[in-house]
Amino acid sequence: AQSVTQLDSHVSVSEGTPVLLRCNYSSSYSPSLFWYVQHPNKGLQLLLKYTSAATLVKGINGFEAEFKKSETSFHLTKPSAHMSDAAEYFCVHTYNFNKFYFGSGTKLNVKP
Amino acid sequence: DVKVTQSSRYLVKRTGEKVFLECVQDMDHENMFWYRQDPGLGLRLIYFSYDVKMKEKGDIPEGYSVSREKKERFSLILESASTNQTSMYLCASSFRQGRGEQYFGPGTRLTVT
Repeated sequence: AQSVTQLDSHVSVSEGTPVLLRCNYSSSYSPSLFWYVQHPNKGLQLLLKYTSAATLVKGINGFEAEFKKSETSFHLTKPSAHMSDAAEYFCVHTYNFNKFYFGSGTKLNVKP
Repeated sequence: DVKVTQSSRYLVKRTGEKVFLECVQDMDHENMFWYRQDPGLGLRLIYFSYDVKMKEKGDIPEGYSVSREKKERFSLILESASTNQTSMYLCASSFRQGRGEQYFGPGTRLTVT
């Protein structure tokens, strides 16, 4: 069965400190994995994607994620949080690009 | 830049009305999707279309139908709107399998009173 688990529904960090948003997936096939960001009342914007190339993936706005097959994880990180990073983040998995499995989302709060 | 547009950002309808939500993409994507997003429930797939006139039910198709007469346009229809269909509706598109990620529209926040 295919699924995505985002381990934290809410994460709070101070501006300038590192961000870690955790995602685990379950897949019977070689997965493709994505992180999207959603600001309030907006659509989802792609941050980065893993599609079986390099396991460390760099995205927009300083975010990166590392695919770890042995741990079935795809955690999202950023070295230094900015106030504008406050949003909801979704981890998404697919194996055939026709059906996409969404995590339940992690709301990131950035304190000044 | 890929562009996915939705016909309305905010919509208020009465119970029992027929509601049309339109989505248009300009990247010649084969696949188009309709999701609804509710707090605590994440995104749930309503319907998916992989070609003109082709559709597949998603996880929550009850109370909805869809139409895809042209490749770039995918419509979601609420035959008789009910208050439990108050939600954020997101349209997305993508190339067919193996070719890439989904691109999302800005969303339509529908309120049924």
